[in-house]
Amino acid sequence: AQTVTQSQPEMSVQEAETVTLSCTYDTSESNYYLFWYKQPPSRQMILVIRQEAYKQQNATENRFSVNFQKAAKSFSLKISDSQLGDTAMYFCAFPQGGSEKLVFGKGTKLTVNP
Amino acid sequence: DAGVIQSPRHEVTEMGQEVTLRCKPISGHNSLFWYRQTMMRGLELLIYFNNNVPIDDSGMPEDRFSAKMPNASFSTLKIQPSEPRDSAVYFCASSLGVGNTEAFFGQGTRLTVV
Repeated sequence: AQTVTQSQPEMSVQEAETVTLSCTYDTSESNYYLFWYKQPPSRQMILVIRQEAYKQQNATENRFSVNFQKAAKSFSLKISDSQLGDTAMYFCAFPQGGSEKLVFGKGTKLTVNP
Repeated sequence: DAGVIQSPRHEVTEMGQEVTLRCKPISGHNSLFWYRQTMMRGLELLIYFNNNVPIDDSGMPEDRFSAKMPNASFSTLKIQPSEPRDSAVYFCASSLGVGNTEAFFGQGTRLTVV
């Protein structure tokens, strides 16, 4: 079975500091996408960043970047210059079996403290 | 585009009653997903459609749950009869359906069965 594991149920960081959320996954596919979603208290699921597995370069979106280690099946999210608005649940996800079915990790609750 | 639209936002019902959740996907998207989110089990995929056809309903918990997609712009998830353990947030999401593309989520329906 293809799974996604987020080993940090909760994390906290001081405003303006950097935090890294970890994610590991298991798949037999060779080409796939990986996603990080954010769910603030409003409960809206928002796409933060995505990574294409065949690309060597790590994806970056403003203050958000990933560290993608394909051989290790690791896909961590780094948030730089953390802001209070980054407080949310963060979910790692990838399509199961190369299909459209997104499999989600259990999530990491991130709190940014002033 | 208005995004994925779900209704109602909140639903409180008595055990044994029928509940119908509604979803309007993003225009032009070919895949539609129903997810359930609980504290215990996280985000679970219940069923997904491609071009209005149910592709995988292996996540539907039992016969009390049914989903339909009569056309490209509308889907329903029905629970009959409802039970307290069905209390959760139900999300509808849609995607282009061309494999490995991100899903766009609605704001969810918080269902409470008393």
